[in-house]
Amino acid sequence: EIVLTQSPGTLSLSPGERVTLSCRASQSVSRNYVVWYQQKPGQAPRLLIHAASSRPPGIPDRFSGSGSGTDFTLTISSLDPADSAVYYCHQYGSSPWTFGQGTKVEIK
Amino acid sequence: QVQLVQSGAEVKKPGSSVKVSCKASGGTFTNYPIGWVRQAPGHGLEWMGDIIPIFRRTNYAQKFQGRVTITADESTSIAYMELSSLRSEDTAVYYCARASSTWFLVDYDHYAMDVWGQGTTVTVSS
Repeated sequence: EIVLTQSPGTLSLSPGERVTLSCRASQSVSRNYVVWYQQKPGQAPRLLIHAASSRPPGIPDRFSGSGSGTDFTLTISSLDPADSAVYYCHQYGSSPWTFGQGTKVEIK
Repeated sequence: QVQLVQSGAEVKKPGSSVKVSCKASGGTFTNYPIGWVRQAPGHGLEWMGDIIPIFRRTNYAQKFQGRVTITADESTSIAYMELSSLRSEDTAVYYCARASSTWFLVDYDHYAMDVWGQGTTVTVSS
């Protein structure tokens, strides 16, 4: 089973700041099949990035993903108050699929 | 536009079973795997397994093997997740999820879950 470790656990930043979230896998993720989700309280997760770096239509371009192998990153180029949420990485490269433990982003 | 609508909240006794439904609308049902993910209170997301309706092929996380059964009814476009021998640790929100289009579906074993149900709260308490 691939273990995904996210860091940091919590971030507290001001609007407009650049945010970098890390997701490290215990072994290489097949074909970089990594998703980043945003989850707000009481809501289902929302897909931001898939296949490590593909951003679907409708997702603001301030969100970007990068990385390969075992190290993946989600970047928010300019933090918006609406970005306050927990962010999860998820690998669908090999069964069982797994999720990171999440990074909470707070807005000052 | 694919939508997933789940059944309502459940309260169950320890040792019993729960069956949660997930109705798909607005897209093709049979060719897209449907996954199940749960989230215990204050915790992260946990993948339980999935089903490919057209083949009725299931894949379960080892943690839930023997306790979970995922099925799909093509005639009604509804997927089901049944969890047995419930214990207090199974108290969680249960989600169904799937890829909405081939944009997210690489193959039956690799797909990004971009459409989610609203979640079903299952409470296990004596």
